[in-house]
Amino acid sequence: AQSVTQLDSQVPVFEEAPVELRCNYSSSVSVYLFWYVQYPNQGLQLLLKYLSGSTLVKGINGFEAEFNKSQTSFHLRKPSVHISDTAEYFCAVIRNSGNTPLVFGKGTRLSVIA
Amino acid sequence: ETGVTQSPTHLIKTRGQQVTLRCSSQSGHNTVSWYQQALGQGPQFIFQYYREEENGRGNFPPRFSGLQFPNYSSELNVNALELDDSALYLCASSGTSGGQETQYFGPGTRLLVL
Repeated sequence: AQSVTQLDSQVPVFEEAPVELRCNYSSSVSVYLFWYVQYPNQGLQLLLKYLSGSTLVKGINGFEAEFNKSQTSFHLRKPSVHISDTAEYFCAVIRNSGNTPLVFGKGTRLSVIA
Repeated sequence: ETGVTQSPTHLIKTRGQQVTLRCSSQSGHNTVSWYQQALGQGPQFIFQYYREEENGRGNFPPRFSGLQFPNYSSELNVNALELDDSALYLCASSGTSGGQETQYFGPGTRLLVL
């Protein structure tokens, strides 16, 4: 079975400052990794995903994430945040074979302060 | 916009009642997954349908059931509602056109059980 740990439940950051949201996972098999964003009272929007290849993945809205297999991490970063980035961010994993479900972390609330 | 739609957007029921939630998949997707997201938590997998057959189930009781139709739209039915069923219900579609591993979410249905 897979599990995901998002190490910070809340991250406050000033506008235009950099941010890192941390995600660690556990799995006995190879997985794909995802970050989703959820704005208030909305569903989940895919930010980026790692399937294979380059371990640095770029997504929408200026976000990027780096897959580190040895540390089983997939941390999300943005060099300069905006007020509009205030949202809940979810890291998720899925087995890389078969129709299997996403396993989510508990989420990190990013609050950008003006 | 993912092309995944859900109805209704909000619903209020009382304990013991039954509810049906609906989801239309993104064009070209043949797999639908349903998730329950309780307040302040990450989404939890309920079940998945692939070509009209249940293809996996999470840790939810049998009173949670589903259907997938030939056009790949889907329903989630919950019988004998309990207070703890209050949550945001999310459906996600995936398929060979977008990669089976990548799930695209609808906006969700928020269910309140009184």
